[in-house]
Amino acid sequence: QKEVEQDPGPLSVPEGAIVSLNCTYSNSAFQYFMWYRQYSRKGPELLMYTYSSGNKEDGRFTAQVDKSSKYISLFIRDSQPSDSATYLCAIGWGANNLFFGTGTRLTVIP
Amino acid sequence: NAGVTQTPKFQVLKTGQSMTLQCAQDMNHNSMYWYRQDPGMGLRLIYYSASEGTTDKGEVPNGYNVSRLNKREFSLRLESAAPSQTSVYFCASRGNTGELFFGEGSRLTVL
Repeated sequence: QKEVEQDPGPLSVPEGAIVSLNCTYSNSAFQYFMWYRQYSRKGPELLMYTYSSGNKEDGRFTAQVDKSSKYISLFIRDSQPSDSATYLCAIGWGANNLFFGTGTRLTVIP
Repeated sequence: NAGVTQTPKFQVLKTGQSMTLQCAQDMNHNSMYWYRQDPGMGLRLIYYSASEGTTDKGEVPNGYNVSRLNKREFSLRLESAAPSQTSVYFCASRGNTGELFFGEGSRLTVL
């Protein structure tokens, strides 16, 4: 069983839609929960970062962590064509013990 | 502010050849990392350096060596390249609150 599972998509939505991206994980000891965005032929960049269960909001982005279900989500409101990218979840108990999902490719259609 | 800089961006090698990927960061971070990214596999940690003078193996270290030259620079060496090492390699450094800052990647093809 992989440490982190992520649906690879691809996911295609119209501009303005709400997008939901999800990951599950296997180890209840994990306490770092991150979302990275990766544009084509670029390095990943950090979007959201949380230690705890619950929601964290930053502009159009909301990260949600449910430790009891070992499930994390990233919601994008009012999606824009510029949000078209691959989204990676990263979960672990430290930067030296961080497991990445395989990424979900998102396309927002104008 | 350049952040994390990797060279070269592209490289084609023949099986058995050697090469070194260079990485430098200008954010005064202590920890640096080398990952490889393959389709369907996600990012996998090859080696990391928690501080100048130390290096440790990650998930997939076989076939690689690293050198932490100083606080800024962390290089990855392939002594005898194999087709299985065809991948995109990312260097990263870690900020004070744990986030990783990545370079733009080095695309390596081994024929």
